[in-house]
Amino acid sequence: DGGITQSPKYLFRKEGQNVTLSCEQNLNHDAMYWYRQDPGQGLRLIYYSQIVNDFQKGDIAEGYSVSREKKESFPLTVTSAQKNPTAFYLCASSTSSGGGVETQYFGPGTRLLVL
Amino acid sequence: AQSVTQLGSHVSVSEGALVLLRCNYSSSVPPYLFWYVQYPNQGLQLLLKYTSAATLVKGINGFEAEFKKSETSFHLTKPSAHMSDAAEYFCAVTTYNTNAGKSTFGDGTTLTVKP
Repeated sequence: DGGITQSPKYLFRKEGQNVTLSCEQNLNHDAMYWYRQDPGQGLRLIYYSQIVNDFQKGDIAEGYSVSREKKESFPLTVTSAQKNPTAFYLCASSTSSGGGVETQYFGPGTRLLVL
Repeated sequence: AQSVTQLGSHVSVSEGALVLLRCNYSSSVPPYLFWYVQYPNQGLQLLLKYTSAATLVKGINGFEAEFKKSETSFHLTKPSAHMSDAAEYFCAVTTYNTNAGKSTFGDGTTLTVKP
């Protein structure tokens, strides 16, 4: 079955530690996205990528980094510079025609907690 | 610039009652509008989307939404609520030539269904 997988489901971070969240898709989508979700605040865009080896900052990129070396993979690293990383992180993908009508397909999410 | 406002962070209805979740948007150009549903600790799933064809859009699980340009609204309705409809619902907006990753999401409305 085609879809998006995220791992791990839960992740614990210690102070000063970098952690990496995995996102893999087998939908053959060009575009991939990372969102952060906090209670009562909806989804906020962290980074997005329209094509391999290219990515753009979203609205809240500070303290995060990404890579896009393969079409199917878009890992997110939460660095020690992110002072409030506790949140639910969602990865999504879509076709990338640039018309604005694309549906985003979401993974099941990773919940990050700080020890 | 584009924005979306969901009126009411929590809506409670009785099983069998009408569901009405409100979404108003702001956009300087014709918008594309989406409703997504999120069950606890899961990703988002598309319910329906408006792409400038019919103003009344039918989606999955018996939901529908009507695009009203004069009211800048895209409210989500369902004639008869089921217990399984309890979830969080998000309205989102994009515009033509917007990268889909630049969708703007509302803060979400949590729907509770009482037996």
